[in-house]
Amino acid sequence: EVLLVESGGGLVQPGGSLRLSCAASGLSVNRNSMSWVRQLPGRGLEWVAIVSSGGATFYTDPVKGRFTISRDISKNTLDLQMTSLRAEDTAMYYCAKGAVLAGVYWGQGTPVTVSS
Amino acid sequence: DVVLTQSPHSLPVTLGQPASVSCRSSLSLPQDDGNTYLNWFHQRPGQSPGRLIYNVSDRDSGVPDRFSGSGSGTDFTLKISRVEAEDVGVYYCMQGSHWPYTFGQGTKLEIK
Repeated sequence: EVLLVESGGGLVQPGGSLRLSCAASGLSVNRNSMSWVRQLPGRGLEWVAIVSSGGATFYTDPVKGRFTISRDISKNTLDLQMTSLRAEDTAMYYCAKGAVLAGVYWGQGTPVTVSS
Repeated sequence: DVVLTQSPHSLPVTLGQPASVSCRSSLSLPQDDGNTYLNWFHQRPGQSPGRLIYNVSDRDSGVPDRFSGSGSGTDFTLKISRVEAEDVGVYYCMQGSHWPYTFGQGTKLEIK
């Protein structure tokens, strides 16, 4: 059974940094396309970043240069390093396996609040 | 970015009756590989979104056959043949044909 469990969310001041982690079981993060998706207050969904099975990474424009998606093969985790955080980054952050093909799984999310 | 426009915003439905959600894309979604990466998600209150449909009309594993997807090009539809109580929540279309992947603004289904 595939299970994705996010952690690392919390309250951070504007300009601060946070590192999110997604522990995966039932799959290898190294062999799958993995993503971070966020849900902004008021329910809007935004696909933040994706790393393909081959290692290519893509980011949505609002986070380019500030967020980094990566995989830790030894721990079988997907990470999201977030820097220079802004109030508009406040959201629930979800880890997802897959995107467009069969076999998509999402975690339950970890909340991030950027506020002074 | 590709803009997905859903209608209606709110959908009150009587139990056992059909329901339909429309999703219109600002850009054509068919890809050179022959696929059209249009998905439908359902989010119940307090839960993460779960995908129902991928590739316009393919149901994900475990999704009841009362859910169906159709459409092509820029116009897509999610239909529920007979609404059940567990179908309440927000429905989102999502496109994975063009980066960044984008979602519609959501349609809230409620029971009358």
